Amino acid sequence: AQSVSQHNHHVILSEAASLELGCNYSYGGTVNLFWYVQYPGQHLQLLLKYFSGDPLVKGIKGFEAEFIKSKFSFNLRKPSVQWSDTAEYFCAVNAGRRDDKIIFGKGTRLHILP
Amino acid sequence: NAGVTQTPKFRILKIGQSMTLQCTQDMNHNYMYWYRQDPGMGLKLIYYSVGAGITDKGEVPNGYNVSRSTTEDFPLRLELAAPSQTSVYFCASSYLGSHNEQFFGPGTRLTVL
Repeated sequence: AQSVSQHNHHVILSEAASLELGCNYSYGGTVNLFWYVQYPGQHLQLLLKYFSGDPLVKGIKGFEAEFIKSKFSFNLRKPSVQWSDTAEYFCAVNAGRRDDKIIFGKGTRLHILP
Repeated sequence: NAGVTQTPKFRILKIGQSMTLQCTQDMNHNYMYWYRQDPGMGLKLIYYSVGAGITDKGEVPNGYNVSRSTTEDFPLRLELAAPSQTSVYFCASSYLGSHNEQFFGPGTRLTVL
């Protein structure tokens, strides 16, 4: 069965620090990968996605993620975080054409200190 | 477009009561999903539907029921509410060919006392 692991459950950074959130998945075939963000009290919004092509994908608000197939990873990065990035971040995986569902990781709660 | 809408936003139930959480999308999406979100546990899929008249169980279906009589609506029914069903419930939709990119509603916060 597919699974998604987010190793950092809670991250605290100061403004302007660099961010990298880890995500690993367990499916060996073609995958579609997503990062969603949930700001306090709000619903999930898509941050970025990877379907095929360039493994370095850019999303909204200066976020990017790199798909490394050999490592089954899709880590999220941002060179300089802002206080407004305080949110919970979810990595999610869909097993390509075989599946109508996506599996979510347990989330990483990011807290940015002003 | 309003996207995915959910009602109510908040609800308190007593043990044993039942209720229906409403979900509507106006994007003509084929697929619709119900998740529950508990602190530190991510999102767990309750039920999903790939089209009108078709529903399937997800990871945590016990205690819930769904129906999909139209493309737009996907209500979630709780029968005999239990404290374990205290959670935030999110409805989502996606469309064929989207690689399962999902669009989420604002959520319903349910407390069962």
